[in-house]
Amino acid sequence: DGGITQSPKYLFRKEGQNVTLSCEQNLNHDAMYWYRQDPGQGLRLIYYSQIVNDFQKGDIAEGYSVSREKKESFPLTVTSAQKNPTAFYLCASSSQAGVSYEQYFGPGTRLTVT
Amino acid sequence: KQEVTQIPAALSVPEGENLVLNCSFTDSAIYNLQWFRQDPGKGLTSLLLIQSSQREQTSGRLNASLDKSSGRSTLYIAASQPGDSATYLCAVIQLDNQGGKLIFGQGTELSVKP
Repeated sequence: DGGITQSPKYLFRKEGQNVTLSCEQNLNHDAMYWYRQDPGQGLRLIYYSQIVNDFQKGDIAEGYSVSREKKESFPLTVTSAQKNPTAFYLCASSSQAGVSYEQYFGPGTRLTVT
Repeated sequence: KQEVTQIPAALSVPEGENLVLNCSFTDSAIYNLQWFRQDPGKGLTSLLLIQSSQREQTSGRLNASLDKSSGRSTLYIAASQPGDSATYLCAVIQLDNQGGKLIFGQGTELSVKP
């Protein structure tokens, strides 16, 4: 079964703690992305990576960090510096080799920080 | 800066109606446009991708059109069913020296009543 997996589905943390969200894909896609979704707002890009060992900041990178050590994996760390971390986090991937740049999404992780 | 707008924000129709969801974008220099469906608490499912050289794409009861010069796309749903109830998101794909990136509208929440 090819696709994108995110774990866990729900995550609860205390304020001041760092937390890492997992994203794995077996689609052999080069590019991976992290988005944040808040009620009443569209998806906003946090970080993205076009190739292994390289990544770029998106529109709202402050308080987040990522790594891309393997093609299949793109974990996102929400640090204590992120002021409003409670949100729904979505991971996506796309092939950069074709012509479409079509993105495919995982099921999401809902993070609640209290 | 590219801005994507979806109108209406919410729509309620009786089962069996044909309906149109609208998406507009401010910068016509897009690469492709992608329509997604999102069920509550779930990830995004790709419905249709229209390449910038195309005028429309069809999949089953769905038809998406693209008019780059006027900055508009529409998603037509024929013979709507209660199972079509979801939020529909459009996103334009723009290229930069880092690859392809999606810019999302805020979505149209569709409710189809039996």
